[in-house]
Parts: sequence; C-alpha cells; structure tokens
Amino acid sequence: DQQVKQNSPSLSVQEGRISILNCDYTNSMFDYFLWYKKYPAEGPTFLISISSIKDKNEDGRFTVFLNKSAKHLSLHIVPSQPGDSAVYFCAASGSGGGADGLTFGKGTHLIIQP
Amino acid sequence: NAGVTQTPKFQVLKTGQSMTLQCAQDMNHNSMYWYRQDPGMGLRLIYYSASEGTTDKGEVPNGYNVSRLNKREFSLRLESAAPSQTSVYFCASSEAVLFYEPQHFGDGTRLSIL
Repeated sequence: DQQVKQNSPSLSVQEGRISILNCDYTNSMFDYFLWYKKYPAEGPTFLISISSIKDKNEDGRFTVFLNKSAKHLSLHIVPSQPGDSAVYFCAASGSGGGADGLTFGKGTHLIIQP
Repeated sequence: NAGVTQTPKFQVLKTGQSMTLQCAQDMNHNSMYWYRQDPGMGLRLIYYSASEGTTDKGEVPNGYNVSRLNKREFSLRLESAAPSQTSVYFCASSEAVLFYEPQHFGDGTRLSIL
C-alpha cells in the first residue's frame, strides 16, 4: 500500500523550460513534505520542503506547491538546467516522528534535453 | 567536509555470511538512520537512532541489527545474509529525530547476496 505516489517514472524536459514533478499521498496524517534529489552513485540530497500550513514554498529556481484537499504536491523547476537531470524523490512525514519516519515515493527520473 | 561516510561502497556476500556496514558523520548530528533502496523503489527505513545510546525499529527491521557506537558512528549488521537483502543501503543523519528535519545522506553501500 503505497502512501506516497510518484506516478511518472521519468520526465523529459527541454533545457530552459519548466519542469513539473508531481506527487500524491493518501495518508491525511502527513503534515510535512520534502523533496530530495539524487544523482547516480550518490546519496539523496535535500532540496526543498513544505509544511501543511503553507501552500507554497520557494527557493531560487525551485518552488513546491501543496494542495491539501487533493493530497497533491508538485515541484516546479524554472528554468530547467542540464544539472537538474537526476532522480527526484518526494517524501512525507507526520509531526510525531517515530517509527513512521519519512515515507518516500519511488522517484521520478528527470532528464533535461539540451 | 566529508558529511556522512559509508564503508564499504560495494560488497558481495554469500547467503548465510555476516557483515557490518559502517557509517560515520562529522556534523555533530544527534540522529542517525539506516535505509535500504531496492530497484524501482523509494527508500525504506530499517532502523534509526534518535540520540547516542538509543535505537528504534523502522519499517523493515527484520534480519538487521544496529549499534550506535558513539555520537558519530552508527553501524548496521546482517547476521545471516539472505538474497532478499540485496539492496543499496544508505546511512543518513540529522540534527534531531524530528522527521521534518532534512536528513543528510551518505553515498550508499551496494550489497549483493548470492
């Protein structure tokens, strides 16, 4: 039973255009969401996060939008650059922490085409 | 600045052999974690340590043991390796066990059990 779903295994975007990565969740107890970026043969690195009390968080070229009623969040990258080619993981957590920990999606492989 | 260091980077074991994966962080973080990532899957939490001297089970603890040796080091042990434990193992750390704290990951240990 997948609680965090990234339904697009891969996404190809032209350099300079907007990349939109989507994530859906089913557990209404999740109240914090994080995006991690992963290059091959490296560990994931934290990119951006959003609390459920917000609907938008921005950091440079990266913006995350949260729609709680739809249980949906998206990561926008504008403009997309070749170095953005990586696997992006959406992760969710409840505020209590504990054994539930972070629940990760399966990831979306973003490919930026020159 | 090393961050989170995992050793070894690669290992091949035979079924029934034992192995300890090592992890050390130099960021003075209180909390440390072990995850596994199987092909096409997100990361799943095996064990975590909220602080020195404490450990707790995550989502998939069966077949593993952990030791928080000191504040810097957190090891993962496979007592009797099984082919189902073939995976990439990631160690991570964060300032606190609150799961909205961004976690910093090592580059992983690729483990194959024959």
